[in-house]
Amino acid sequence: AQTVTQSQPEMSVQEAETVTLSCTYDTSENNYYLFWYKQPPSRQMILVIRQEAYKQQNATENRFSVNFQKAAKSFSLKISDSQLGDTAMYFCAFLLEGGKLIFGQGTELSVKP
Amino acid sequence: ETGVTQTPRHLVMGMTNKKSLKCEQHLGHNAMYWYKQSAKKPLELMFVYSLEERVENNSVPSRFSPECPNSSHLFLHLHTLQPEDSALYLCASSQGPGQQETQYFGPGTRLLVL
Repeated sequence: AQTVTQSQPEMSVQEAETVTLSCTYDTSENNYYLFWYKQPPSRQMILVIRQEAYKQQNATENRFSVNFQKAAKSFSLKISDSQLGDTAMYFCAFLLEGGKLIFGQGTELSVKP
Repeated sequence: ETGVTQTPRHLVMGMTNKKSLKCEQHLGHNAMYWYKQSAKKPLELMFVYSLEERVENNSVPSRFSPECPNSSHLFLHLHTLQPEDSALYLCASSQGPGQQETQYFGPGTRLLVL
């Protein structure tokens, strides 16, 4: 079975500090794609970053970076210099053939001033 | 309008009503999706359409009926729903339904079934 697990239901971080959100997944596939999505209180789901499994280099997008450990099936998201606007629910997701996205249960991140 | 839009943003309906949710994408994509987001549960894929043809039906009850008249529009027709169907319904689109295609989401319709 293909599953995505986010073990941290809630996290908080002080503004300007760094926080890491955890994600593990289970699959027998060798080629796949992983995503982090952000859903602020307004509910619009926004793509944060994506990683191709065949690439060893970790993806980065400005203050957002991932630590992709394929053997361990781990895909954590690091947010540097946290901003108040980063407050949101963060979802890790795994993309299967045919467009089926498998989501984790989410981590609610609060950035405190 | 840009991106993926959904209307209405909020909907309250009784169990005997018939209503429809609308999704429109302005990204030139060829695949569209319906997801259900319930409290305390991961997002669940409901339907996938590619070039107006349904390619995935994720064991969704027949009281949910999708329609994709063209690659830019997707509807979800609702009838005789149950209170447990109350949720946020999200529409998404991608260039195609391939494994490498990023999906872009709309703002969702918050549905309450009384």
